[in-house]
Amino acid sequence: GAGVSQSPSNKVTEKGKDVELRCDPISGHTALYWYRQSLGQGLEFLIYFQGNSAPDKSGLPSDRFSAERTGGSVSTLTIQRTQQEDSAVYLCASSSQGGLTEAFFGQGTRLTVV
Amino acid sequence: AQTVTQSQPEMSVQEAETVTLSCTYDTSENNYYLFWYKQPPSRQMILVIRQEAYKQQNATENRFSVNFQKAAKSFSLKISDSQLGDTAMYFCAFYNAGNMLTFGGGTRLMVKP
Repeated sequence: GAGVSQSPSNKVTEKGKDVELRCDPISGHTALYWYRQSLGQGLEFLIYFQGNSAPDKSGLPSDRFSAERTGGSVSTLTIQRTQQEDSAVYLCASSSQGGLTEAFFGQGTRLTVV
Repeated sequence: AQTVTQSQPEMSVQEAETVTLSCTYDTSENNYYLFWYKQPPSRQMILVIRQEAYKQQNATENRFSVNFQKAAKSFSLKISDSQLGDTAMYFCAFYNAGNMLTFGGGTRLMVKP
């Protein structure tokens, strides 16, 4: 595609429900990042995929969070048993060489847990 | 682990004037890349400028330039002739091979008419 695509753009869910957030990176990009951004705040690293290497999951805040990347392309971030503190914008980015070149960002998914 | 620090949470500047945003980082690596990203209210992150650590010359992109001080581990962004459209959050970021892209906490810039 022309850019990084994230869906849905907005998601409102009830506390305790599971949610899945999707990221379609730019075709051919080997690196994919997930970040979380609370309102007006900085970027909190969640997880990093690079090619066929094992993902760097060091930023996942709890075992309720998981992510996978199928076929080296599309990625899904799953949050189980959502809590109100999970409310944030979830940003996905991809790059062709892990960071040597520009990382392109999607427009994010705004998650609201009520 | 690499860390990136932006010490100015908020800044403001009058339209047409110049403003400098600060960024420092901590690394033991010698080869790395530094970036400034802009995030306007639309939420879309946009690359503003990039600097390779092995290059001594400071990067410049139109009204945007950096002051890269490798020994001091400092990477400030200068915006000249500020425009209303420059109002945004600005993030400094660090990358080196084998690691992930690490962002600073951001600086919110307001350009006033």
